[in-house]
Amino acid sequence: EPEVTQTPSHQVTQMGQEVILRCVPISNHLYFYWYRQILGQKVEFLVSFYNNEISEKSEIFDDQFSVERPDGSNFTLKIRSTKLEDSAMYFCASEYSGANVLTFGAGSRLTVL
Amino acid sequence: AQSVTQLDSQVPVFEEAPVELRCNYSSSVSVYLFWYVQYPNQGLQLLLKYLSGSTLVKGINGFEAEFNKSQTSFHLRKPSVHISDTAEYFCAAHERGAQKLVFGQGTRLTINP
Repeated sequence: EPEVTQTPSHQVTQMGQEVILRCVPISNHLYFYWYRQILGQKVEFLVSFYNNEISEKSEIFDDQFSVERPDGSNFTLKIRSTKLEDSAMYFCASEYSGANVLTFGAGSRLTVL
Repeated sequence: AQSVTQLDSQVPVFEEAPVELRCNYSSSVSVYLFWYVQYPNQGLQLLLKYLSGSTLVKGINGFEAEFNKSQTSFHLRKPSVHISDTAEYFCAAHERGAQKLVFGQGTRLTINP
C-alpha cells in the first residue's frame, strides 16, 4: 500500500538553528500538508500546499516557517531559527485530488534544546 | 468556527468489553468526519470516515462510528476490544470546500487484561 515517508524520524537541534524536515508524498497525490503535535496536545494544522503554492496556512505558520516542493517528489518544511516551543512531532500528509482523505506519514520528532 | 471535542481524555476498559469513544463537532456548514488511530511511536492511521450517505460507517479493526447530525456527534464504537487496540484515537473534521483538518484532543484507550 502506498505510504507517505518522512525523514528524519527524530532530530535534535540547538535553539536558533535551521531545520529542514522532509516528506515524500504518495506519487499521484496533489495536495500536501504539514501538521504538528506538541507533546500532550492536539494535532494542529500548519499549512496546505497545492499547485506549487500555499493554499492555506494557520496563525502558527509565521515567517519562520516555509514549505517547498523542490523536485516534484519531496515536500519540505523549513524552520529558519528554531525556538524551544517548536519542539513537537511534525506530520506530513498528502491527498489525492477530490478524495477528502489525508494519508499521514509516521512523523518527524523535533527536539529543540 | 469549526471545532472538535473529544469528551474523554482517557478510557480504560477490560479486554473483550465494548467501548465507545465520544466525539462532538461544531460547524456552521456541512462537514466530513474522520477517526484516526495512533499506535505508540507510530503515525496517524485512518480508521474510518464519513463523507456522505449512510450515517453508520464501518472501518478497520472492527470499529464503527455513527454520524448524528442533530446531536453533532460522531462517536466511535467497538463491541469487543483487544489488547492490540491500545492506542490514542483522534476524531477530526473538515468543512466541505475547505482543506484544513481540525482534530480533537485525542482519547487514550487502554485495554486491561
